[in-house]
Amino acid sequence: AQSVTQLGSHVSVSEGALVLLRCNYSSSVPPYLFWYVQYPNQGLQLLLKYTSAATLVKGINGFEAEFKKSETSFHLTKPSAHMSDAAEYFCAVSGDDYKLSFGAGTTVTVRA
Amino acid sequence: NAGVTQTPKFQVLKTGQSMTLQCAQDMNHNSMYWYRQDPGMGLRLIYYSASEGTTDKGEVPNGYNVSRLNKREFSLRLESAAPSQTSVYFCASSARRMNTEAFFGQGTRLTVV
Repeated sequence: AQSVTQLGSHVSVSEGALVLLRCNYSSSVPPYLFWYVQYPNQGLQLLLKYTSAATLVKGINGFEAEFKKSETSFHLTKPSAHMSDAAEYFCAVSGDDYKLSFGAGTTVTVRA
Repeated sequence: NAGVTQTPKFQVLKTGQSMTLQCAQDMNHNSMYWYRQDPGMGLRLIYYSASEGTTDKGEVPNGYNVSRLNKREFSLRLESAAPSQTSVYFCASSARRMNTEAFFGQGTRLTVV
C-alpha cells in the first residue's frame, strides 16, 4: 500500500517569497506522485506529476517538484509567490492498484 | 468539454433520509472514484470502480453504496444519512494506467442535520 504525508497544514508566505510545500511518500512499488491544487469552492486541478522520466518536474503556474528517492520526498516549490497562489495543495500517490491516496493538504496564504 | 459532472452541487438532508449523488464523465475513462473531503483529513476514498461492471471499497465505505451504471456514470447512495456524513463529496475519473492523473468534478457539499 502507498501513502503520503504532508508536513505542515498551513504555510504563510509573503508575495514574491519562495513557496515550499513538503511531501514524503511511502510505497512498496515505484510510486507515481502528483500535486493537486484546490481553489476555494472548486474541485482539484493537477499541478504536476512524476512519472519517472525526470526527477525534476515542472508544472503549471510556475510550480515544480523534485523527486528524491533517497529521501522518499516529492516537495513542491515556486520561486516567487503570487497572490493567486493562495489555495490548498494536496500531494497524492498511486501504485499498482491504480488508486490515488492523498495527503491531508497544506493551505497556502500569501501576504501582500 | 464537460469533463466530470456532479449533481447536485449542494444538498441538505435530515438524519435518516436517503439520497443519490450522480456523477458522469465524458472522457471515456475506465476508472471512477468517489472521495469525501473533511477539514484536516485530505481526501479519503469511499469507493472506486476500476472498470465498468466492477466496484470496490475504499478507506471509508461504511454507510455508502455505489453503482457503476455504465462506463460514463458512477453514482453514490446514502441509504440512511447521518450527521457524520456531512462533507464535501468529489467524483473523479482516470484512464486505467498508473501514471495518469485523475480528473475531478466540482464537488457536492452535503449537510446532514
